Amino acid sequence: NAGVTQTPKFRILKIGQSMTLQCTQDMNHNYMYWYRQDPGMGLKLIYYSVGAGITDKGEVPNGYNVSRSTTEDFPLRLELAAPSQTSVYFCASSYSRSGSHNEQFFGPGTRLTVL
Amino acid sequence: GENVEQHPSTLSVQEGDSAVIKCTYSDSASNYFPWYKQELGKGPQLIIDIRSNVGEKKDQRIAVTLNKTAKHFSLHITETQPEDSAVYFCAASSSGGSYIPTFGRGTSLIVHP
Repeated sequence: NAGVTQTPKFRILKIGQSMTLQCTQDMNHNYMYWYRQDPGMGLKLIYYSVGAGITDKGEVPNGYNVSRSTTEDFPLRLELAAPSQTSVYFCASSYSRSGSHNEQFFGPGTRLTVL
Repeated sequence: GENVEQHPSTLSVQEGDSAVIKCTYSDSASNYFPWYKQELGKGPQLIIDIRSNVGEKKDQRIAVTLNKTAKHFSLHITETQPEDSAVYFCAASSSGGSYIPTFGRGTSLIVHP
């Protein structure tokens, strides 16, 4: 299994541009998540999905959009990029069902700079 | 919602010493407490977790303790080695919160050879 893969690894955007961060998992996990990590601030949840066709906002959703058309893929869309979106973005997945929590598996991250 | 506080933010120890990282949580319904290790340039990876029906769990040099009454849990690393240097995150989640974990801000552990 490849686990959770993310592309690209690095990206520089100009203010106002848009882009999609790709995330794929091959573990048949039902839950998928997008986090951003800023220095000293830990992991902040942007959006999450509990299954194909279902998405919900996390702590910091403004400026982002997601979709979950398949179990495997969970792309994150940035529209009108702003310098405040400069961060490292992590995608994660887990298998959770009623009465059972399980660990999250994280991708290697995408380092995004908006200039 | 859940709030997780983690201390210290930075911890510096000599190789061979023990390291302790502490977290407190606010939601008494939380029942799953994982710890993640993040090495430089990589995504976090689970190192140990504990569920609310257990007070302590060990895995070689690492252990986690949970005090549900006081709503705090701790990570203990014994005989630290330079490769233990990383950022460590605690988290808490509950069934009532759709299993979505809330993370602490992280502790940067530096082990000096």
